[in-house]
Amino acid sequence: GDSVTQMEGPVTLSEEAFLTINCTYTATGYPSLFWYVQYPGEGLQLLLKATKADDKGSNKGFEATYRKETTSFHLEKGSVQVSDSAVYFCALSFIYGNKLVFGAGTILRVKS
Amino acid sequence: NAGVTQTPKFRVLKTGQSMTLLCAQDMNHEYMYWYRQDPGMGLRLIHYSVGEGTTAKGEVPDGYNVSRLKKQNFLLGLESAAPSQTSVYFCASSYEAGLSPLHFGNGTRLTVT
Repeated sequence: GDSVTQMEGPVTLSEEAFLTINCTYTATGYPSLFWYVQYPGEGLQLLLKATKADDKGSNKGFEATYRKETTSFHLEKGSVQVSDSAVYFCALSFIYGNKLVFGAGTILRVKS
Repeated sequence: NAGVTQTPKFRVLKTGQSMTLLCAQDMNHEYMYWYRQDPGMGLRLIHYSVGEGTTAKGEVPDGYNVSRLKKQNFLLGLESAAPSQTSVYFCASSYEAGLSPLHFGNGTRLTVT
């Protein structure tokens, strides 16, 4: 079945460090890919998405590129802030599908 | 800007008790979902609905029932709670399937003792 694998956390960085959170997927066909973020005590919210190969999603300084050849959608940010501390979820969906498939989530902790 | 509202926020049940979690959305979304979140397992889909009066099973439906009598509400029921159902439950809604982003509530933390 379809699945998403994320790097295990927690990831602990100092403020202004470079962030990469790895995400790979297994799917039949060509899914759309998403990153959701969950701040403490809140529900998930969409961070960015990409709908086809080589698309780059970006938002709030975060970026991820849809790589079909490596079935990956790694999340990056050039300079993290303490306010970026959250849980990040990679997910996939199909245009005619009814649901998202989530990865296990990666905890990010940014220290000042 | 209410969005998706879940009630209650916290609940403690004893094994065998029943309860209903309520989800309400004010965005006129067709699709609604119930997920559970457990450490190290991400979010797993329990049940979902593609419109008023419809429901469908997700990945982990056993022990839960749902109803969508009104478009804006999606209820999740536990008929006989078990400790394995201790989790954080999230409701979500979306305008359409596939590419539309999901809008999540803030979750219900349920403990079954």
